[in-house]
Amino acid sequence: KAGVTQTPRYLIKTRGQQVTLSCSPISGHRSVSWYQQTPGQGLQFLFEYFSETQRNKGNFPGRFSGRQFSNSRSEMNVSTLELGDSALYLCASSLGGQGARYEQYFGPGTRLTVT
Amino acid sequence: AQSVAQPEDQVNVAEGNPLTVKCTYSVSGNPYLFWYVQYPNRGLQFLLKYITGDNLVKGSYGFEAEFNKSQTSFHLKKPSALVSDSALYFCAVRGPGNTPLVFGKGTRLSVIA
Repeated sequence: KAGVTQTPRYLIKTRGQQVTLSCSPISGHRSVSWYQQTPGQGLQFLFEYFSETQRNKGNFPGRFSGRQFSNSRSEMNVSTLELGDSALYLCASSLGGQGARYEQYFGPGTRLTVT
Repeated sequence: AQSVAQPEDQVNVAEGNPLTVKCTYSVSGNPYLFWYVQYPNRGLQFLLKYITGDNLVKGSYGFEAEFNKSQTSFHLKKPSALVSDSALYFCAVRGPGNTPLVFGKGTRLSVIA
């Protein structure tokens, strides 16, 4: 099976712009989660989707949003970019359902740099 | 709310020696515990998990972890470290139901030849 894929892998944006990141989960996986990874804050949970519904949301401002499509692919959007949004954004998929017991499989990440 | 603590930012061990990376957790109800590893410029790779059953869990690449309910710990271990084990290790916990997966800050493991 192909792994989790994320596009693009690298992105450079200017403050105030918006950005959309894409994630394709492993075939058959219905749950997709997004994380922000920075050296200072570590791995922080953004949101989780299961069957097109947002199941959980982390403590991020409303500038961060996401969605999941009927084929389980997911996108996240960040509007009005700030310098502090520079980070590695990781997507992870799992079988979902009663999600607690299922491990997540991570994509390689999208490295976003805001200048 | 659940939380994870990895008390060591860095662990150094000589090749061939046993290694331990520590993790303690806090969660309401039964925990679901995971270990992940991250190599430079890569995403996280799943190593092992504890859901229920035997307290000693075996995973990928010779790693194992011991679940200790009384000490709320889930330490990662390997009998003989390899230089290629050098990476960033994350412990994560999830409570019952569909609560989010919460990660520790990570521990950087350096195995010295």
